[in-house]
Amino acid sequence: EIVMTQSPATLSVSPGERATLSCRASQSVSSNLAWYQQKPGQAPRLLIYGASTRATGIPARFSGSGSGTEFTLTINSLQSEDFAVYYCQQYNNWPPLTFGGGTKVEIK
Amino acid sequence: EVQLLESGGGLVQPGGSLRLSCAASGFTFTRYAMTWVRQAPGKGLEWVSAISFTGDTSYYADSVKGRFTISRDNSKNTLYLQMNSLRADDTAVYYCAKDFYRVPTIFDFWGQGTLVTVSS
Repeated sequence: EIVMTQSPATLSVSPGERATLSCRASQSVSSNLAWYQQKPGQAPRLLIYGASTRATGIPARFSGSGSGTEFTLTINSLQSEDFAVYYCQQYNNWPPLTFGGGTKVEIK
Repeated sequence: EVQLLESGGGLVQPGGSLRLSCAASGFTFTRYAMTWVRQAPGKGLEWVSAISFTGDTSYYADSVKGRFTISRDNSKNTLYLQMNSLRADDTAVYYCAKDFYRVPTIFDFWGQGTLVTVSS
């Protein structure tokens, strides 16, 4: 099973600033990596797949990068609606499909 | 508009059974794999099970293998999860999710979830 590790667990950022979230895989997942956003009481929403491709309707301030075992989600100019929990997920070696533990982006 | 509506959650005693349903609309159900993902209270996301677009192939997390069964009725655009021998650590919100492809990979639409509570 591929273990996904996200850091930090919590990220405090001021509105308008940039947030950088990390995700590490226990072995290479190539570019088969997705990012999701989840707000309290809501279902997750797909943001990024293929490590760097934005899903339909996702604003350009969200960008993904990386390959192999190291990945980054960058949120430029954080908006109020961006404060949420973010999860990475690998789909290279499955089953099981595995998620990271999440990074909570909170208002500083 | 893609819609996924889960039902069937509730309170069940340890060792009991529940059957979750997910009614899908707004897309061609028969073209996509479907998945169940769960989230224990205050915890992260855990992939539970997935089924191919034809229903011929199913996949399970080790934590539920032998106890849960995923199925789909393509004539009714409905996904199911039969959960037997339920344990306290199965307590979670269960989400139905549409896969992006015909095989389980990534999940581009999610339902709002149904809460399963396993407690005596």
